[in-house]
Amino acid sequence: ETGVTQTPRHLVMGMTNKKSLKCEQHLGHNAMYWYKQSAKKPLELMFVYNFKEQTENNSVPSRFSPECPNSSHLFLHLHTLQPEDSALYLCASSYLRGPTDTQYFGPGTRLTVL
Amino acid sequence: RKEVEQDPGPFNVPEGATVAFNCTYSNSASQSFFWYRQDCRKEPKLLMSVYSSGNEDGRFTAQLNRASQYISLLIRDSKLSDSATYLCVVNHLTGGFKTIFGAGTRLFVKA
Repeated sequence: ETGVTQTPRHLVMGMTNKKSLKCEQHLGHNAMYWYKQSAKKPLELMFVYNFKEQTENNSVPSRFSPECPNSSHLFLHLHTLQPEDSALYLCASSYLRGPTDTQYFGPGTRLTVL
Repeated sequence: RKEVEQDPGPFNVPEGATVAFNCTYSNSASQSFFWYRQDCRKEPKLLMSVYSSGNEDGRFTAQLNRASQYISLLIRDSKLSDSATYLCVVNHLTGGFKTIFGAGTRLFVKA
């Protein structure tokens, strides 16, 4: 399935590195999301973009910086991360940001911060 | 109290068994509810939406109990391929639109 793609699939970075995660959706959706999934914890919604505008930022540290150049692409720029930021980062999209809209997830980027 | 709570399990059941999971939510103004399935090291995928009237999709039945603030998922005639983590998702509009995932219930179906 290639509805929502994410690159890279795996990333190892040092605390002083700068890297970016990329998400692309081919579903014609208007809302895109970044989630963090740590071991044995629920998915945590980080950011929401609706029609390219950021509509939600759930108290995410500034070392995570999202960018949404258009409705099909979403980036998460990373800098000066901490080891506790190691997790699976999932991108999702939905037609709209609404209570009945189904979110479709990408395969995720497994991030390890050394 | 967590906004969405699930029994983490694991539930270990033999093939052919019927198994049920519950998920409780704390916000009485919650508007919509879903069950997602997540296989090991894979992304979550929508299993089914949950409606007040209940809904059924093959061997899967989902129910919503607003009075007691929980949703349930029933799996009949379990298959080995049903082994996964089942995530409960709740949306509400209190203090802005929010999507809350439960931590998931792990199911192992054994031959």
